[in-house]
Amino acid sequence: DADVTQTPRNRITKTGKRIMLECSQTKGHDRMYWYRQDPGLGLRLIYYSFDVKDINKGEISDGYSVSRQAQAKFSLSLESAIPNQTALYFCATSDGTGGAAEAFFGQGTRLTVV
Amino acid sequence: EDQVTQSPEALRLQEGESSSLNCSYTVSGLRGLFWYRQDPGKGPEFLFTLYSAGEEKEKERLKATLTKKESFLHITAPKPEDSATYLCAATPAGGTSYGKLTFGQGTILTVHP
Repeated sequence: DADVTQTPRNRITKTGKRIMLECSQTKGHDRMYWYRQDPGLGLRLIYYSFDVKDINKGEISDGYSVSRQAQAKFSLSLESAIPNQTALYFCATSDGTGGAAEAFFGQGTRLTVV
Repeated sequence: EDQVTQSPEALRLQEGESSSLNCSYTVSGLRGLFWYRQDPGKGPEFLFTLYSAGEEKEKERLKATLTKKESFLHITAPKPEDSATYLCAATPAGGTSYGKLTFGQGTILTVHP
């Protein structure tokens, strides 16, 4: 089983709909992240959480919200999806000790908003 | 603002033709520089972490090096299975960005047999 699991893997939704992407991890890491990837733009940080009570906005948080339900679970919501949110979304985790630990990524969720 | 820039955007090599990928970074007090490999439709896979200028790390045909302004990923005698997108990321030592990774746009490497 994957250490970082994202569901769903693929989703097509209509403009204006609310959608939630879920992420769970078995690595025991405190830190969790949501990134989106667009062709030519690399990975951009949406939100990050250093523990259950600590949630922070990344560089492109507008139109998104998150919930850290437990140490192992971090979900991303699009309250009212729009077509330019069509992208590949990745959840990642890292170990909080030391401050420079590598991040481990899930397999991604391909979201299409029509 | 932290920035990471990778070049070239795409690189096409013949099998066995060695080359290097570049990652330039502007990060306030670099804490770590990371290299990842990403295959189509999959999540990035961790390759290396570099912490200080002069450090080098190797894994099979790949060697990563770090200076005060940039990092290189050297690929020696590449094979077709090395074809992938290679991503570079950096994290600062402190401040409000502590613990966050800033990624470059990636270099798409294609190795022809």
